[in-house]
Amino acid sequence: GQQLNQSPQSMFIQEGEDVSMNCTSSSIFNTWLWYKQDPGEGPVLLIALYKAGELTSNGRLTAQFGITRKDSFLNISASIPSDVGIYFCAGHKFSSNTGKLIFGQGTTLQVKP
Amino acid sequence: DGGITQSPKYLFRKEGQNVTLSCEQNLNHDAMYWYRQDPGQGLRLIYYSQIVNDFQKGDIAEGYSVSREKKESFPLTVTSAQKNPTAFYLCASRSGVDYGYTFGSGTRLTVV
Repeated sequence: GQQLNQSPQSMFIQEGEDVSMNCTSSSIFNTWLWYKQDPGEGPVLLIALYKAGELTSNGRLTAQFGITRKDSFLNISASIPSDVGIYFCAGHKFSSNTGKLIFGQGTTLQVKP
Repeated sequence: DGGITQSPKYLFRKEGQNVTLSCEQNLNHDAMYWYRQDPGQGLRLIYYSQIVNDFQKGDIAEGYSVSREKKESFPLTVTSAQKNPTAFYLCASRSGVDYGYTFGSGTRLTVV
C-alpha cells in the first residue's frame, strides 16, 4: 500500500533544540494528521489539519498543511526529554471514500538531557 | 471515559496455534481498523470495517481474519497461516465526523 515519505527517519538532539520533520506525498490530501507514539503504546493524535495553508499550534508544537495539499510539516520548539518517541504523519486522500489514512514511516526522536 | 481497549497487552503463543486479539471501543465509532507495526516499518493495515457485519482486507490481510458482529468490538485472529506473526498490533477507531483515528494501547504478540 501507499505510504507517505516522512523525513528524517531519526533525530538525536540536545534538550532545548528545535525539531522539524515533514511528510510528502504524490497525491492530494484533504486532511493531515500528526501522531506521537510513546514506547510500547498506541499513537496519540497531536494536531489535525483540514485546509491547505492551515497553520496550527498545540503548545510547543506547530504543524502546517502545505499549500499544494501534498505535504505537511511539524515543528517542536525547545525540546524536552518527554518529547522522546516516534512521530507519525498521516493523511487522507482527497479521492478516497473509505476513510483510510495513509501513514508515514515515522520519525524517531531522541533527546539528550 | 470513552476509549478503545486492547487486550491482552502481552501475548505469547506457540507456533501453529491460532490466537485472537481483542479490541473494544465505547466511543460509538462506526469504523474500526487493525494495524501491524514492526520496527522501522511504520503501520501496515491488516483489515478494516466501516460498519457492523462488513469488513475489508487491508494491505497485509493474508494469515489474519476478523469479525464485526457488534459496533463496539472488532477482534483479530492471527492464524497459523501467518508466517511471521510476532509483532505489535494496534487497533483504531474513527467517528464519521472527521478522519482522525483513536488508537488502543496495542498488543505485543510473541510466537515461539
